[in-house]
Amino acid sequence: GAVVSQHPSRVICKSGTSVKIECRSLDFQATTMFWYRQFPKQSLMLMATSNEGSKATYEQGVEKDKFLINHASLTLSTLTVTSAHPEDSSFYICSARDLDSRRNQYFGAGTRLSVL
Amino acid sequence: AQSVTQPDIHITVSEGASLELRCNYSYGATPYLFWYVQSPGQGLQLLLKYFSGDTLVQGIKGFEAEFKRSQSSFNLRKPSVHWSDAAEYFCAVETSGTYKYIFGTGTRLKVLA
Repeated sequence: GAVVSQHPSRVICKSGTSVKIECRSLDFQATTMFWYRQFPKQSLMLMATSNEGSKATYEQGVEKDKFLINHASLTLSTLTVTSAHPEDSSFYICSARDLDSRRNQYFGAGTRLSVL
Repeated sequence: AQSVTQPDIHITVSEGASLELRCNYSYGATPYLFWYVQSPGQGLQLLLKYFSGDTLVQGIKGFEAEFKRSQSSFNLRKPSVHWSDAAEYFCAVETSGTYKYIFGTGTRLKVLA
């Protein structure tokens, strides 16, 4: 089956630094990738939709200057949390939509970000 | 507004017992519905999906779900639960034309030996 690799799985950083999270579709092409944030014991909240070769579309309330998304190729999207603060600590999950598989999204294992 | 409700935050069942996880949605058009399972250290895995046609959908790992339009529900069932089924289960609806998902708050399943 289709595999989405997300890296790193866990990162701890100091307040004020930037952190980059990678999301790769390993065996399929994904024109669209999605980034979610999951708070403890809560659901996944969509942050943004990333389309290859174009600017990401952010959901209401998500700061685009805080969460930079780049989708440079059909297999890679990155999320950069800029000037991270403790309130950015969360579980971030990406998903990729398979061009050939109707409406299927495949999810990465997630990245646990802890900002000290 | 579109929404997905999973009324049960936690469910505990004994191994071998039957299971039903509830999901209700609010959506104006014909919904595309999904059930995912999330295990620690792993990405969300698709259990099954409903787009159209037969309202009883079979999925992986012995799971099935039934779409009931009159009740705006898409409940997940399994006749006999295994200890390995312990995980978090999410119901989701896809918003028309956008491929975006709206997730429910999830149900954490605990299986007693």
